[in-house]
Amino acid sequence: QKEVEQNSGPLSVPEGAIASLNCTYSDRGSQSFFWYRQYSGKSPELIMSIYSNGDKEDGRFTAQLNKASQYVSLLIRDSQPSDSATYLCAVNMNPPTGGFKTIFGAGTRLFVKA
Amino acid sequence: NAGVMQNPRHLVRRRGQEARLRCSPMKGHSHVYWYRQLPEEGLKFMVYLQKENIIDESGMPKERFSAEFPKEGPSILRIQQVVRGDSAAYFCASSPHPTGELFFGEGSRLTVL
Repeated sequence: QKEVEQNSGPLSVPEGAIASLNCTYSDRGSQSFFWYRQYSGKSPELIMSIYSNGDKEDGRFTAQLNKASQYVSLLIRDSQPSDSATYLCAVNMNPPTGGFKTIFGAGTRLFVKA
Repeated sequence: NAGVMQNPRHLVRRRGQEARLRCSPMKGHSHVYWYRQLPEEGLKFMVYLQKENIIDESGMPKERFSAEFPKEGPSILRIQQVVRGDSAAYFCASSPHPTGELFFGEGSRLTVL
């Protein structure tokens, strides 16, 4: 089982629709969760962080966390062509060796059609 | 407040040469991560360092690869005797604390001929 799993996509949605991106993780003790956006040829940029169960909204973006199900999602409302990118789910984990480390999923490619 | 600075942005090496990649974290950040990314793939964890200490290097090959983050100066990712399979983008990210958000540099793109 991969530590952080995402559907690779591509996910295609029409402009103005809601895009839903999902992520599951293996470490039940994880406490910090992040969504990053990466445009082709560029570095990842942070969209949102979430630490508690429930929803967290920031503009058109809503992150949802369910620790019991080990599941994180990102909703993008009123999707725009400029949202077309790869979305990376990241989880800060506590490995058996101690300490922390942040692991990324493989990413989901999103295409928003004008 | 400058962001995470990586250099060089592009590096070309011949097989067998050494590649040295540098990363200066954001001001006030003492936690540094290195990730590797192949085209059309995700970010693969390599190593996590805190000032003068390697916290987790489980993602870094034991041969040819090394990383450091000295008390003074940037973090260095060193690849000795490079092979074509080392060609990739190497991203550095920094954080102010162990469980916090990561802020990325622009990456160093290594090409091995």
